[in-house]
Amino acid sequence: EAQVTQNPRYLITVTGKKLTVTCSQNMNHEYMSWYRQDPGLGLRQIYYSMNVEVTDKGDVPEGYKVSRKEKRNFPLILESPSPNQTSLYFCASSPTSEDTQYFGPGTRLTVL
Amino acid sequence: GENVEQHPSTLSVQEGDSAVIKCTYSDSASNYFPWYKQELGKRPQLIIDIRSNVGEKKDQRIAVTLNKTAKHFSLHITETQPEDSAVYFCAASTGTGGFKTIFGAGTRLFVKA
Repeated sequence: EAQVTQNPRYLITVTGKKLTVTCSQNMNHEYMSWYRQDPGLGLRQIYYSMNVEVTDKGDVPEGYKVSRKEKRNFPLILESPSPNQTSLYFCASSPTSEDTQYFGPGTRLTVL
Repeated sequence: GENVEQHPSTLSVQEGDSAVIKCTYSDSASNYFPWYKQELGKRPQLIIDIRSNVGEKKDQRIAVTLNKTAKHFSLHITETQPEDSAVYFCAASTGTGGFKTIFGAGTRLFVKA
């Protein structure tokens, strides 16, 4: 089944404790993206990747890191999480830059 | 920075009526305009999209129009049904040489039976 998976789905952590949210797609898509969703703000792009080893900043990259060492995986790293990073995070992938994005199920992160 | 404004933030219609949601974008380089529907607790899913070389696109009860000169695009849903109730997001994407995507803040649509 074609899909985008994210892990974990739910995470409660404390300020400053490094964490990684994994994202994997099995559709051989070149384009992948991370978004955060906050009430009243829609989805805001954190980082995107156009291919292996090619990443670029979105609208809200501060406090986040990404890597794209393999085509299927695009992990999101929070080196030192802070409470303002409490949010719902979505990973997405797309076959081209002008095509639908397929979203993962979301990761709800709470930073205390 | 670049942005996408979406209106209204909330829309309530009677079943069978039409619903219109409007978006305005600021980045002239935007060339791909998708619309996503997000039901409560679910992930966003594409319902229709339009590319910059097209002015209008229709898929059954859903249509999208694009005015590149005015940097404005709209979603039209006809004969609304209760299952159309959800949050709808517009987005503008700069596909050429990048993958920057900016979403509107969303419209919560209520369809009353």
